[in-house]
Amino acid sequence: GQQVMQIPQYQHVQEGEDFTTYCNSSTTLSNIQWYKQRPGGHPVFLIQLVKSGEVKKQKRLTFQFGEAKKNSSLHITATQTTDVGTYFCALYSGGGADGLTFGKGTHLIIQP
Amino acid sequence: DADVTQTPRNRITKTGKRIMLECSQTKGHDRMYWYRQDPGLGLRLIYYSFDVKDINKGEISDGYSVSRQAQAKFSLSLESAIPNQTALYFCATSDLSGDTQYFGPGTRLTVL
Repeated sequence: GQQVMQIPQYQHVQEGEDFTTYCNSSTTLSNIQWYKQRPGGHPVFLIQLVKSGEVKKQKRLTFQFGEAKKNSSLHITATQTTDVGTYFCALYSGGGADGLTFGKGTHLIIQP
Repeated sequence: DADVTQTPRNRITKTGKRIMLECSQTKGHDRMYWYRQDPGLGLRLIYYSFDVKDINKGEISDGYSVSRQAQAKFSLSLESAIPNQTALYFCATSDLSGDTQYFGPGTRLTVL
């Protein structure tokens, strides 16, 4: 099945700095989803991107889907301590089959 | 998500023991999933079910079995637990579109 590679694995930032995590695939993706998992918590759905070149914003979070639909990014502007956690991209194969295929996640660590 | 509950939340067991993890949901969703999370590996799909009569293997089903007792209940069993099954287990649900998934709080299983 399709795989997604996520980088970086860890990212340390000072509070107030920006943060970006990237998700890449060697094949064209039908969609990409992003989830956030707080320390000790469970994954929580953030957004799904479907269209080539799509850009969506949620407050300080900006999600992009590449023109070729082979990559995606999540950018957080001016990080806050509440942004701490692990951010996963995930591929939904469609029709519910096979569930979600997750990237390995980027751990965001914020230093006050 | 409070609509998806998992029991137990923590479990320590010994090699060779049979273990059952339970998941219940009040979201009225037909589709349910079991994932396993290991440090550095993200989440991987174990089994999924589209309805009571439908069970499907995921990426890493070996050593596990499931039972869909009702629309709202989906249990995961380890017939003979082994130490490399020590992990965090998540149940998830989705509606008929299958894309957005709602995760339970997780069960931390330790096999000694």
